[in-house]
Amino acid sequence: DAGITQSPRHKVTETGTPVTLRCHQTENHRYMYWYRQDPGHGLRLIHYSYGVKDTDKGEVSDGYSVSRSKTEDFLLTLESATSSQTSVYFCAISVPDREIKANYGYTFGSGTRLTVV
Amino acid sequence: KQEVTQIPAALSVPEGENLVLNCSFTDSAIYNLQWFRQDPGKGLTSLLLIQSSQREQTSGRLNASLDKSSGRSTLYIAASQPGDSATYLCAVDDYKLSFGAGTTVTVRA
Repeated sequence: DAGITQSPRHKVTETGTPVTLRCHQTENHRYMYWYRQDPGHGLRLIHYSYGVKDTDKGEVSDGYSVSRSKTEDFLLTLESATSSQTSVYFCAISVPDREIKANYGYTFGSGTRLTVV
Repeated sequence: KQEVTQIPAALSVPEGENLVLNCSFTDSAIYNLQWFRQDPGKGLTSLLLIQSSQREQTSGRLNASLDKSSGRSTLYIAASQPGDSATYLCAVDDYKLSFGAGTTVTVRA
């Protein structure tokens, strides 16, 4: 199974402070994603990466930046945290299906619960 | 923009009953569709992945069908158990994953 680890698992921060969330994978999968999950909105894509130093915006990218300097790590940064960024953040990777390798599915991390006060 | 809708939003059934969860999407140009399970406060667990050229996938008591032309998928869970209580999410992959809001299932013992 593809190993994917998010850190920290929980964080409380103050409005206006910078925050960085980390996603680490143990295999060399090319595509990595950051989502946020909010009641009433479901899961929404923030940013994604298709390789080292190759990233693109998702549907809710304002206020967020990302970096990928190594294949295994994908960082999400809130430059100046706001209360509207209180959410659960999930990292995901695109991996080949176990039985049909041409199929690519998604594996998600356990999430980071971020509270901005 | 891809829109994914899941009906019903919530479902409560007695143990042993079969579950039918529906998912519809607006743009049929998809690569695949994936069903996930999410327990409260937890991450997403993949249940089934259906490639766009497939009509269905099965895993144990779970069966998912896909009708790409009509933009519909259905997840069937046979002989439900209290351990099946969770939120089930449908996600459509058209280069990016778009999620429905989920169906929250409660199976009563």
